[in-house]
Amino acid sequence: AQKVTQAQTEISVVEKEDVTLDCVYETRDTTYYLFWYKQPPSGELVFLIRRNSFDEQNEISGRYSWNFQKSTSSFNFTITASQVVDSAVYFCALSRTLNDYKLSFGAGTTVTVRA
Amino acid sequence: DGGITQSPKYLFRKEGQNVTLSCEQNLNHDAMYWYRQDPGQGLRLIYYSQIVNDFQKGDIAEGYSVSREKKESFPLTVTSAQKNPTAFYLCASSPAQQETQYFGPGTRLLVL
Repeated sequence: AQKVTQAQTEISVVEKEDVTLDCVYETRDTTYYLFWYKQPPSGELVFLIRRNSFDEQNEISGRYSWNFQKSTSSFNFTITASQVVDSAVYFCALSRTLNDYKLSFGAGTTVTVRA
Repeated sequence: DGGITQSPKYLFRKEGQNVTLSCEQNLNHDAMYWYRQDPGQGLRLIYYSQIVNDFQKGDIAEGYSVSREKKESFPLTVTSAQKNPTAFYLCASSPAQQETQYFGPGTRLLVL
């Protein structure tokens, strides 16, 4: 069975602070995909990144960066210099790469950025 | 513009009533999905479809039904058998089942 744990329920920061969201996963598969999605107050999930388990390189996209560590089964997400528009619920998710591609979601972390 | 549309945005259901949520995509994606989101929880898969005229149950299919008669459409019916239907319902699609899923804006279902 696959499981994704986002231990942080809510994080509140002041604008321009950095914020790191933790994601820990469990899977018996040797290959899998990891995802991050953003859900703003409007409700629609916005895709941010997909990472193949073979690729452990960290990635940076503007103010967003991701730290994938297979040894600790973690895929953490950092927002640098946060802005009010970053306020949202962020979900980490996991899927298999063979036969069954269902997404297993974590419970989400609510980020509130105060001006 | 290409994308996924869901209607209505809000839907009210009376006791014992079946209601149907619409999901349409013009992305030419083969796979489509329905998820349910409850407050403070992640998304849970209800049904998914890899191709037209084929669909499979997800983790919480009881009380729901779907059809996939056209590639672009994947309606979800919430039947009277679903005793706790109040939730936010999200539809998603992907080019193929192993590809990234993209989501629609969601439908919020409330019970009167």
